[in-house]
Amino acid sequence: DSGVTQTPKHLITATGQRVTLRCSPRSGDLSVYWYQQSLDQGLQFLIQYYNGEERAKGNILERFSAQQFPDLHSELNLSSLELGDSALYFCASSVGENGGGYTFGSGTRLTVV
Amino acid sequence: AQSVTQLDSQVPVFEEAPVELRCNYSSSVSVYLFWYVQYPNQGLQLLLKYLSGSTLVKGINGFEAEFNKSQTSFHLRKPSVHISDTAEYFCAVSDTRPGNTGKLIFGQGTTLQVKP
Repeated sequence: DSGVTQTPKHLITATGQRVTLRCSPRSGDLSVYWYQQSLDQGLQFLIQYYNGEERAKGNILERFSAQQFPDLHSELNLSSLELGDSALYFCASSVGENGGGYTFGSGTRLTVV
Repeated sequence: AQSVTQLDSQVPVFEEAPVELRCNYSSSVSVYLFWYVQYPNQGLQLLLKYLSGSTLVKGINGFEAEFNKSQTSFHLRKPSVHISDTAEYFCAVSDTRPGNTGKLIFGQGTTLQVKP
């Protein structure tokens, strides 16, 4: 157990639907990062939050959004889902906002049918 | 901008043999370097990292890596592999500049297949 908790582990949904992925960081970590892992794109950085504030944005689609709540857990919202959104979505956390090697959760596998 | 190239997509090796997984990076600024391992159906686990100091970095599970700035490489090595080392290995870099967000740029991964 890495200390980073992601739920659900698996999600199957239809095209056009909306889903929410949840991440609880390790105790004491203030930064949360979201990554997408797919066969064609590999591991891609989506977005980072630090202590409730958006800190950096990567290759995140406009249909996707995220937030970090006062208790530091984070949610990644994916809407108008397409087949190509099927992927593993990882959350990671670190103490500071500069990374330095962070801890990943076990991921949520999203399948869009 | 940074980029990472893992030179081998698959590396087959026999148990107890040595292994080297190669990683080259491109960056116009100084970088931090990382190796992560992903076992089947699991998340990524940090093996080792280079932030500063000695260019030879030792990590978990007997792995080590050497940072070579002139060759912009950070190859991962293990003198004797076990079946349990079979996994996907990812090299990654991040920016060292003040204000850096810690965003990681990953390579495409190398599958290490350890055969009995």
